[in-house]
Amino acid sequence: QVQLVQSGAEVKKPGASVKVSCKASGYTFTSYGISWVRQAPGQGLEWMGWISAYNGNTNYAQKLQGRVTMTTDTSTSTAYMELRSLRSDDTAVYYCARYITMVRGVIISYFDYWGQGTLVTVSS
Amino acid sequence: QSVLTQPPSVSAAPGQKVTISCSGSSSNIGNNYVSWYQQLPGTAPKLLIYDNNKRPSGIPDRFSGSKSGTSATLGITGLQTGDEADYYCGTWDSSLSAEVFGGGTKLTVL
Repeated sequence: QVQLVQSGAEVKKPGASVKVSCKASGYTFTSYGISWVRQAPGQGLEWMGWISAYNGNTNYAQKLQGRVTMTTDTSTSTAYMELRSLRSDDTAVYYCARYITMVRGVIISYFDYWGQGTLVTVSS
Repeated sequence: QSVLTQPPSVSAAPGQKVTISCSGSSSNIGNNYVSWYQQLPGTAPKLLIYDNNKRPSGIPDRFSGSKSGTSATLGITGLQTGDEADYYCGTWDSSLSAEVFGGGTKLTVL
């Protein structure tokens, strides 16, 4: 069965960096992408970007460009999301999700399996 | 301000039917496929509908999706108290080159 298991909660000070991991199992890791989605307390879902586990290509949300880096380690089937220069409004639960995307004239995309979430708290 | 517009809340009695709308534009819903997610309190989102109207294995046929023009709709029949959750629509926005979500709709089963 497909599983995505994320690393534990983090507390960081403003200006610091955080790196969240997402270990995949139950499928061929390099056949899918991994996307990161965050959810601030009491708020909706915000897409952060995605990485192809096949070739490492990335596509980041414009508002996070320059602060976020997504990587994968295919030897351990693990994806990572690093966010730098943390601010208080980065406080959120961060989810990884397996990402399906293809172009068939139109763009087909969705997140079919999700990790359990990692709470990142940014506070002085 | 979300790119996709959903009603903040809907409610209905157990056993009844409810629909949740998701409104967008030609750069997102109008030209790409829509997915829907259920988020039970304190848990991660779960895929309910993909490719506008397909259900993943294990999702009951009480849940259905449709799309017309720049709007999509999630339907839930035979409502149960366990359906109380937040529901999100999502799709790719070709102008933004980004995945976008609706603001979420809280379903209350009275």
